[in-house]
Amino acid sequence: AQKITQTQPGMFVQEKEAVTLDCTYDTSDPSYGLFWYKQPSSGEMIFLIYQGSYDQQNATEGRYSLNFQKARKSANLVISASQLGDSAMYFCAMREGPHQAGTALIFGKGTTLSVSS
Amino acid sequence: EAGVVQSPRYKIIEKKQPVAFWCNPISGHNTLYWYRQNLGQGPELLIRYENEEAVDDSQLPKDRFSAERLKGVDSTLKIQPAELGDSAVYLCASSLGGTSYNEQFFGPGTRLTVL
Repeated sequence: AQKITQTQPGMFVQEKEAVTLDCTYDTSDPSYGLFWYKQPSSGEMIFLIYQGSYDQQNATEGRYSLNFQKARKSANLVISASQLGDSAMYFCAMREGPHQAGTALIFGKGTTLSVSS
Repeated sequence: EAGVVQSPRYKIIEKKQPVAFWCNPISGHNTLYWYRQNLGQGPELLIRYENEEAVDDSQLPKDRFSAERLKGVDSTLKIQPAELGDSAVYLCASSLGGTSYNEQFFGPGTRLTVL
């Protein structure tokens, strides 16, 4: 079974609009972390935002926020006020176990976001 | 602070040839990861090191892939012999244990094309 599911292969949004990228996950571990990375066409993976399984509040980083619904096992990324530079591939990823363990990330297949003017 | 360094950035080889990739993690990062990213997919772990010890190599195809991390710093990943299906981007990442969420920092990757 897929551990990270991103059901939107591609999303299109206009500048200054908000967009939500979906991510659902599957784990039986009570301790886990959820990450979102951005990968532009140049190829580097850029960390955007993190949510821990025990965090009570949704994470926010500038224009990025994570809509964490633990019971539904979803961790959607919300980008407010989209910019042309936001056009890229976005990956949701999960680390199972406590952060000290340093276990590897499990990635979804990604969503391509295209921002138009 | 310098990021994760990888070389070469691109490599084109013929099948059955050997190839090696090099990674220099962020200074002080004890955990090092090698991921493979196939076209249109997310990265998948090949091997994880804690200092110089490989602690997770269950996804490494050991018949043709090998890796080492000498002195717990730099790492090399080798494929011998390469097959057509090995064409992918090979990403190296590192993390510093003990931080609040142990974020992984990625290098720019090596794009391998096997002809």
